[in-house]
Amino acid sequence: QKEVEQNSGPLSVPEGAIASLNCTYSDRVSQSFFWYRQYSGKSPELIMSIYSNGDKEDGRFTAQLNKASQYVSLLIRDSQPSDSATYLCAVNRGWQAGTALIFGKGTTLSVSS
Amino acid sequence: EAQVTQNPRYLITVTGKKLTVTCSQNMNHEYMSWYRQDPGLGLRQIYYSMNVEVTDKGDVPEGYKVSRKEKRNFPLILESPSPNQTSLYFCASSLVGGPETQYFGPGTRLLVL
Repeated sequence: QKEVEQNSGPLSVPEGAIASLNCTYSDRVSQSFFWYRQYSGKSPELIMSIYSNGDKEDGRFTAQLNKASQYVSLLIRDSQPSDSATYLCAVNRGWQAGTALIFGKGTTLSVSS
Repeated sequence: EAQVTQNPRYLITVTGKKLTVTCSQNMNHEYMSWYRQDPGLGLRQIYYSMNVEVTDKGDVPEGYKVSRKEKRNFPLILESPSPNQTSLYFCASSLVGGPETQYFGPGTRLLVL
């Protein structure tokens, strides 16, 4: 079983819509979960982190975590063309925060104007 | 400005010619890591270091070497590069044990002919 799984996409949404990105992970002891945005040829940029079950909101972004289901999601409200990028889900390997991130292969989001 | 720097940013070389990609961070982070990113395979960890003189293999260490003689530097060495090492390489750093996530360098695009 792959450690972190994401749908590769592309996920296409019209401008102003809600984009929903999903991620599942296999290691039950993971404690830290992250969403990175990566534009083509650029380095990953952290947009959300979440450590507890439930929702965490930051502007137009909401991260959702369900440890029982081993599921993390990212919602982008009022999607903009500038949100078009690849979104990487990352999970800590094991218990120690800040180290040994395991990445999913990413979901490509395309927002059309 | 807190940052991770990599050099060179772009490199074309030939099979078998030893090369080093440098990585430096100015945040006093203990943890540093190297990733390679390939289409369809995502970000994969090559080597990581928990502190000075402490290094360990990641998921794809074959063909690579690293050293950590100083806290701020973590060079990646390809002793005898091969075409299958053509990739986009990222260095990253973070604090150990804290909630912070990894800061990524700008990437090094390597082409091995």
